[in-house]
Amino acid sequence: GAGVSQSPRYKVAKRGQDVALRCDPISGHVSLFWYQQALGQGPEFLTYFQNEAQLDKSGLPSDRFFAERPEGSVSTLKIQRTQQEDSAVYLCASSLSELGTGANYGYTFGSGTRLTVV
Amino acid sequence: AQSVSQHNHHVILSEAASLELGCNYSYGGTVNLFWYVQYPGQHLQLLLKYFSGDPLVKGIKGFEAEFIKSKFSFNLRKPSVQWSDTAEYFCAVNSGDMRFGAGTRLTVKP
Repeated sequence: GAGVSQSPRYKVAKRGQDVALRCDPISGHVSLFWYQQALGQGPEFLTYFQNEAQLDKSGLPSDRFFAERPEGSVSTLKIQRTQQEDSAVYLCASSLSELGTGANYGYTFGSGTRLTVV
Repeated sequence: AQSVSQHNHHVILSEAASLELGCNYSYGGTVNLFWYVQYPGQHLQLLLKYFSGDPLVKGIKGFEAEFIKSKFSFNLRKPSVQWSDTAEYFCAVNSGDMRFGAGTRLTVKP
């Protein structure tokens, strides 16, 4: 597609519920990133994929967070046993370039999924 | 670890006023620098970026930024703001993966 698509746009989950957030990157984009943006804060890095390989997951806040990109295109961020502190906007971004190659085309962001845990 | 600091949390200006938003980063290596804008209810959009060359970078909508290596700064400027510039502005640094500042909320009064 023309842009990065995320679904759902809004998700309300009861505490303890599992959620799955989807990201469709721009076709052909090698790199895919997940960010968490709390209210009034800048996006915080969660994890990075190069094609299907998850090369960096240092930003995932706990083992309740899991991300995958099995075929190197669509990615899913899963949060198990959601807690109130998980409430945030989850942003997905994709980029044509690979990290560390020296080429950098910048990132294209999706509109995000606003997760509210009640 | 690299970090990005935006010192102004909320800036309020009248239309036609000049704008300068500060951004400082802490990283000694080669960096790529970005400013993103997020209009209310919309996704992050790239305003401008610096990779190399002329340290004065011009972006969309009349925005520009100046990279001053000695000061580790990449401040965003616009000579005359408009009401439609009301948004959240994020500075970002990429020396591997992208790291963002906390953002500056700009409110332009008509």
